[in-house]
Amino acid sequence: DAGITQSPRYKITETGRQVTLMCHQTWSHSYMFWYRQDLGHGLRLIYYSAAADITDKGEVPDGYVVSRSKTENFPLTLESATRSQTSVYFCASSESRLARGEQYFGPGTRLTVT
Amino acid sequence: DAKTTQPNSMESNEEEPVHLPCNHSTISGTDYIHWYRQLPSQGPEYVIHGLTSNVNNRMASLAIAEDRKSSTLILHRATLRDAAVYYCILSTSGTYKYIFGTGTRLKVLA
Repeated sequence: DAGITQSPRYKITETGRQVTLMCHQTWSHSYMFWYRQDLGHGLRLIYYSAAADITDKGEVPDGYVVSRSKTENFPLTLESATRSQTSVYFCASSESRLARGEQYFGPGTRLTVT
Repeated sequence: DAKTTQPNSMESNEEEPVHLPCNHSTISGTDYIHWYRQLPSQGPEYVIHGLTSNVNNRMASLAIAEDRKSSTLILHRATLRDAAVYYCILSTSGTYKYIFGTGTRLKVLA
């Protein structure tokens, strides 16, 4: 499928388990981003990547790990899930520097940590 | 990072114009103004962006105040499909960060 996809769309896990959320884009965009959205709030940036093998922290990186070995994939791993990481996670991509270009968002993954 | 202030909610009648305001009094000269919207249960969707001049596209218009301390997103004829949360965001040239606020929830009345 063309565009940006996320998997799984829904996930329930237990506290302490490792969870990986997948993000895939077909446009070969250089920039990719992970956000979380908590109920009643806007989105907060977790990590971003300017290219393969280049990643950097956003506003709320603690408890998360990312990697980007291929341009089209940007997985987000929760090393030891906590209840406070219950959220909706959005992946996004952009072909240009943020200030001049638009970001394309995926449909989101709703994660519940019990 | 410069921040934006938006009303929590607004209502509009279908097929009427909608003006969504945004205040960004601490904006710097290199900050771009972006608008995104988020339909229920979906990811945000780009609407429009600008730097200094007013901008138009097929979805909306962006009117930027002369001092750039405020802007207005204009939907020319609201439809029921435009009901969403609209986010006004600033981004600084050379950075990768969007700072999302809580946005304006637009309700369109049939």
